[in-house]
Amino acid sequence: GAVVSQHPSWVICKSGTSVKIECRSLDFQATTMFWYRQFPKQSLMLMATSNEGSKATYEQGVEKDKFLINHASLTLSTLTVTSAHPEDSSFYICSANKGDSNQPQHFGDGTRLSIL
Amino acid sequence: GENVGLHLPTLSVQEGDNSIINCAYSNSASDYFIWYKQESGKGPQFIIDIRSNMDKRQGQRVTVLLNKTVKHLSLQIAATQPGDSAVYFCAEITHNAGGTSYGKLTFGQGTILTVHP
Repeated sequence: GAVVSQHPSWVICKSGTSVKIECRSLDFQATTMFWYRQFPKQSLMLMATSNEGSKATYEQGVEKDKFLINHASLTLSTLTVTSAHPEDSSFYICSANKGDSNQPQHFGDGTRLSIL
Repeated sequence: GENVGLHLPTLSVQEGDNSIINCAYSNSASDYFIWYKQESGKGPQFIIDIRSNMDKRQGQRVTVLLNKTVKHLSLQIAATQPGDSAVYFCAEITHNAGGTSYGKLTFGQGTILTVHP
């Protein structure tokens, strides 16, 4: 069964709206979670690494003020897309390691974000 | 592999045939490799992994081969079924000299596998 849950699975909203996406580890604690973005027919691009109790680490070119990450507990990380615009429309996916970094990451089922 | 992204390679096979999906990775220091399967509208699903001290690993109907000399990874699927139709990604992890890392994955380009009944 699923070990990482993502919510919501689909969001449609108007330009300028802020959208929060939740990522939960279901039966394990995750000190580190990852957020990816995927455009149609493209690979996954790592946006940031979410660290429980500390600031997220953002990849080059990803605006930290645009994509706010909060990892307040060992089972929950949130990604907030602030003042979303049509170009932010994408498939956002989170993942977590069930064990240490020598184990495969488990992925949520993604959130389809459509900004009108 | 690099995330060049556009126009994913495609592979079409007949049901029952064997499939081979290839991946070239970029970092010779990478020491852990994973194959993921992604169905439409879903997140990637773990298939099989291999560490750099191995050159072959087998699972149920799947085999991964690693050639570190040419930085090449392949996924072989035996007796391919229509349910295997999906996009397949290889991913690599590079650990630092101390053998630790936060597990940052770098995904390859992906291959679209279509299995015809």
